[in-house]
Formats: sequence, C-alpha cells, structure tokens
Amino acid sequence: AQRVTQPEKLLSVFKGAPVELKCNYSYSGSPELFWYVQYSRQRLQLLLRHISRESIKGFTADLNKGETSFHLKKPFAQEEDSAMYYCALSRSYNTDKLIFGTGTRLQVFP
Amino acid sequence: GAVVSQHPSWVICKSGTSVKIECRSLDFQATTMFWYRQFPKQSLMLMATSNEGSKATYEQGVEKDKFLINHASLTLSTLTVTSAHPEDSSFYICSASHAGRANQPQHFGDGTRLSIL
Repeated sequence: AQRVTQPEKLLSVFKGAPVELKCNYSYSGSPELFWYVQYSRQRLQLLLRHISRESIKGFTADLNKGETSFHLKKPFAQEEDSAMYYCALSRSYNTDKLIFGTGTRLQVFP
Repeated sequence: GAVVSQHPSWVICKSGTSVKIECRSLDFQATTMFWYRQFPKQSLMLMATSNEGSKATYEQGVEKDKFLINHASLTLSTLTVTSAHPEDSSFYICSASHAGRANQPQHFGDGTRLSIL
C-alpha cells in the first residue's frame, strides 16, 4: 500500500535559519512526489514536484529512492514561508489520486 | 489560469438534510476530479475519483450511497451528502486535472465547510 509519512506536526524556526521538512514514502513502484503548501486562509497549491527538479520560492526537494524520502529544504527561512506543508505521492503525474501525508506546520519567527 | 471553484464555501444544515457541493473548473476541461475530506488538524483523505461520463471510483470505507458523485461535464462535478448527520461534518475539497494535457498538476478548490447540526 502507498503511504506518506511526515513525522513532524510542527516545525518552528527563526527567520534566516535553514529548514528541512521531512517526508518518507512507501510504494513498490516508481512514484511521483509532490509538495503542496497551504497558506493561512488560502487553498492548497502545488509548491514543487520531483520531476521538475526546480526551486520554488527557494525551496528544493530531492527524491532519494534508496531512503524513500523526499525532504523539503530551504537554506534561509522567511516569515512568509509560515504555512502548512503536505507531502503527497501519486502513481502517475496527473491522472491518479494523491496520497497525502499528515502535514507539517512551519512557523517562522522574526 | 487553472482555477477550480467550489460552491458553497460553507453550509450549515439540520441532520437528515441532503447537501450538494459543486466543483467547477473555470478555465480548463477536467476529465478527472477528485474529492477529499479533511478533519480538523488532519490530512486530506481521498474519498473518490470522479471521471467525466462514468461512475466514480470510491476509496475503501467510503459509502457510495452516502456520498453521491456526479461528473456530467468536463467542467463540473458534484458531491451530494445524502441524509447528512453530525459525523459528516467536515471540510470537503475537490481537485481537478487537465484533460489531455501532460505534466499538469491537480488544481484544488477552496473547499467547503459542512456543519451538520
């Protein structure tokens, strides 16, 4: 069965500190991995996906198949990064359902 | 572009009432729409996958007679919670993916908060 695990419910850092939001998954095939973000009072939106290998708002995430991880990282956190972050897995890019982790709330203090 | 609209955003009704939630893709066609449910401080749980012109596929444990899904066009899917009870109170979110376009992510609606008294 597919499963996404986000071990931290809350991560608090000060502005300028590095951030790493952990995500581990279990899936026997080759998954598509995503990070979604939900800012206060806004809808869920895609932050980045592993196939794009891109950096969005300073965030990056590398798929490590050996460790079955897809951790989200940012070297210098900003206050506007405070939000709820969800890691998600899909068996195919846009035609299949997303399996979400439980989410990590990131709080960045000034 | 790629906006998904949900209506209503908040509904409060009496126990036993049936409630319909609409999910519309405003500027694109969506062959597939997904319905999720989110309890407070918990993650999104997929309820069903809705394909235009065919029956929805429900996840294990989701009552299809309780949560009726209709996807009659490429821009509209509806979720009807029949004979709603307080335990059905939750946040319901839909998402949609482009028809015939590769490498496009799911786009989410704002969600509908359902409160059953």
